[in-house]
Amino acid sequence: QKEVEQNSGPLSVPEGAIASLNCTYSDRGSQSFFWYRQYSGKSPELIMSIYSNGDKEDGRFTAQLNKASQYVSLLIRDSQPSDSATYLCAPYSNYQLIWGAGTKLIIKP
Amino acid sequence: ETGVTQSPTHLIKTRGQQVTLRCSSQSGHNTVSWYQQALGQGPQFIFQYYREEENGRGNFPPRFSGLQFPNYSSELNVNALELDDSALYLCASSLPGTARYGYTFGSGTRLTVV
Repeated sequence: QKEVEQNSGPLSVPEGAIASLNCTYSDRGSQSFFWYRQYSGKSPELIMSIYSNGDKEDGRFTAQLNKASQYVSLLIRDSQPSDSATYLCAPYSNYQLIWGAGTKLIIKP
Repeated sequence: ETGVTQSPTHLIKTRGQQVTLRCSSQSGHNTVSWYQQALGQGPQFIFQYYREEENGRGNFPPRFSGLQFPNYSSELNVNALELDDSALYLCASSLPGTARYGYTFGSGTRLTVV
């Protein structure tokens, strides 16, 4: 059974601070790793992808991957109230995404 | 270039009924994947279609079936609806080999079974 574990939260972070979201996965065959953001009642929106060990930065977002530890993280710098959402971690393996249940992030003004 | 569109956006069905959900893929994308997202959970892979054939399936019973048409649009059919089928149904399209670079989903269909 392929599994993806995320802390369900909610994770409460002050506006302007760094939000840190974590994810562990069980399938060592996973080839790609994605972070999606989902607002309540909406479909998931792709915000970051990472394919190799290390860090990948895109604007205020940094994804980190450690395949040996089967660990993926997402850092959001200068958090804004509009970042309040559920963040879903999704490794890709065998033509499907395996999803965690998501971490609810709340940015406090 | 248009994105993935799904219809209807919402619908309510009675237990035991059948339902058909529709997905128009992004222009040129010949692979369509369907996911089910129950409230408070992550999406679950239902199946994928490529060139009108199912080429991957998750842990869903046979009453979940699909079709893909020559224009690459797709349908998800669910027979004998159960209360637990209430969920957001998501469709994503891609080119072969590109799904590993990430999907763009349609806006989803919210199905409520009563």
